[in-house]
Amino acid sequence: DADVTQTPRNRITKTGKRIMLECSQTKGHDRMYWYRQDPGLGLRLIYYSFDVKDINKGEISDGYSVSRQAQAKFSLSLESAIPNQTALYFCATSDAALGLDTDTQYFGPGTRLTVL
Amino acid sequence: DQQVKQNSPSLSVQEGRISILNCDYTNSMFDYFLWYKKYPAEGPTFLISISSIKDKNEDGRFTVFLNKSAKHLSLHIVPSQPGDSAVYFCAASAGGGSQGNLIFGKGTKLSVKP
Repeated sequence: DADVTQTPRNRITKTGKRIMLECSQTKGHDRMYWYRQDPGLGLRLIYYSFDVKDINKGEISDGYSVSRQAQAKFSLSLESAIPNQTALYFCATSDAALGLDTDTQYFGPGTRLTVL
Repeated sequence: DQQVKQNSPSLSVQEGRISILNCDYTNSMFDYFLWYKKYPAEGPTFLISISSIKDKNEDGRFTVFLNKSAKHLSLHIVPSQPGDSAVYFCAASAGGGSQGNLIFGKGTKLSVKP
C-alpha cells in the first residue's frame, strides 16, 4: 500500500462549485503539505501544516483552504472553483525531526483537477 | 523572482553516457538541497539530497555536487539508462529543517535514448 494516498485521482468540476481533495498518510509524519503543479511552473506550495493545530499559508494560498483532521489526514478545499485552478495537486509529508537533512518530502500520486 | 532556477527545460542523452542536470539558486540562506524525479501520472519521488556542509553526495549512479560560492548544484547520472527518462526537479530549503518549505525549480525533462 502507498504511504501517501490522494483522493480523488481525477476530478472534473464546474466554475463556482466547492471541491475537496483529500490526503492520507501512513508514514507517521507530523508535517503535511499541499502543492499545485502547472505546466512549465514546477511545484508551488499552497498550504502546509506542522501538526494538527498548526496551519500555514504557502506561496499561493488565495482561493484555497485546508483542514488537518488528524495527524494522518490533510484536506484541501476550493470554496468556489475557477478555471485557473485547473492543475495537478500533490500532497506531501515530511518528518519533524530537527537538524539538517530533515526537509525531505514524500509525495502522493497527485490529483488532476479540471475546472470548466 | 525565481529563487531556484533550472534553465534547461530539456536534455537528451545517449544510453550509457553521463547526464548532467543543473540548478542555480539565489537565496544564500538555503542550506539543504534535493533532487526529485517525476514520471508522468505519478508524484515526485525523492532521489538524492545534500546539505550545505558538504560539496558532494553520492548514491549509486547518482551524484549531486554543490558549489556554494557559485550558488550552483548539479546532478550527475552515470551511466544513464532509458528508465531515467523523467522530469527532474531541483528543490531547496532554508533554516536547517525548521522552516519546512521547499522551493522548487521548474524542472528539466531528461530523455535517455537507447
